[in-house]
Amino acid sequence: AQSVTQLGSHVSVSEGALVLLRCNYSSSVPPYLFWYVQYPNQGLQLLLKYTSAATLVKGINGFEAEFKKSETSFHLTKPSAHMRDAAEYFCAVSDLGSSNTGKLIFGQGTTLQVKP
Amino acid sequence: DSGVTQTPKHLITATGQRVTLRCSPRSGDLSVYWYQQSLDQGLQFLIQYYNGEERAKGNILERFSAQQFPDLHSELNLSSLELGDSALYFCASSPDGQGNQPQHFGDGTRLSIL
Repeated sequence: AQSVTQLGSHVSVSEGALVLLRCNYSSSVPPYLFWYVQYPNQGLQLLLKYTSAATLVKGINGFEAEFKKSETSFHLTKPSAHMRDAAEYFCAVSDLGSSNTGKLIFGQGTTLQVKP
Repeated sequence: DSGVTQTPKHLITATGQRVTLRCSPRSGDLSVYWYQQSLDQGLQFLIQYYNGEERAKGNILERFSAQQFPDLHSELNLSSLELGDSALYFCASSPDGQGNQPQHFGDGTRLSIL
């Protein structure tokens, strides 16, 4: 069965600093991985996805993530944080199992704080 | 705007009551997923429908049920409500429910049980 672990429930960076949000997955088959962002009182917005094409995936709002099979990781990065990036970020893996239904298994989320 | 519409945005009700949450998927999407977000459990998959048929079930309580109608909108019914059912309930949709397709989420229904 697939699972996701997000290291660090809270990450604080200064505006303009590098953002690194960590995600490790467990999967017995090649995974499909996603990063979502949730702003207060809103739903989840897709940032980017990995579906076995290029290992470096570029998403919206300047975010990107690199799939590293040897490390079972899919960390999210952004070179320069902006105040508007403050939100909760979720890493998710598609539970392929035996039926490939696409249901998502989420990590516990990481709250990103951006300090001026 | 994700294109997924959920109503109502907020629901306040009492223990023992029954409520219905509604979801309209993105135009063209055949698959609908329901998730529950709570502080203690995080985001948990409840149930999936594809073109009117139940396709996958997660940790959904027996007091909860769902259906997807011919026009592809879906409803999640929660009955005999308990305090612990207070949570944010999300609906998401994807074109045909395959694992490599991203899901697009609505803004959720916040359910408060008093």
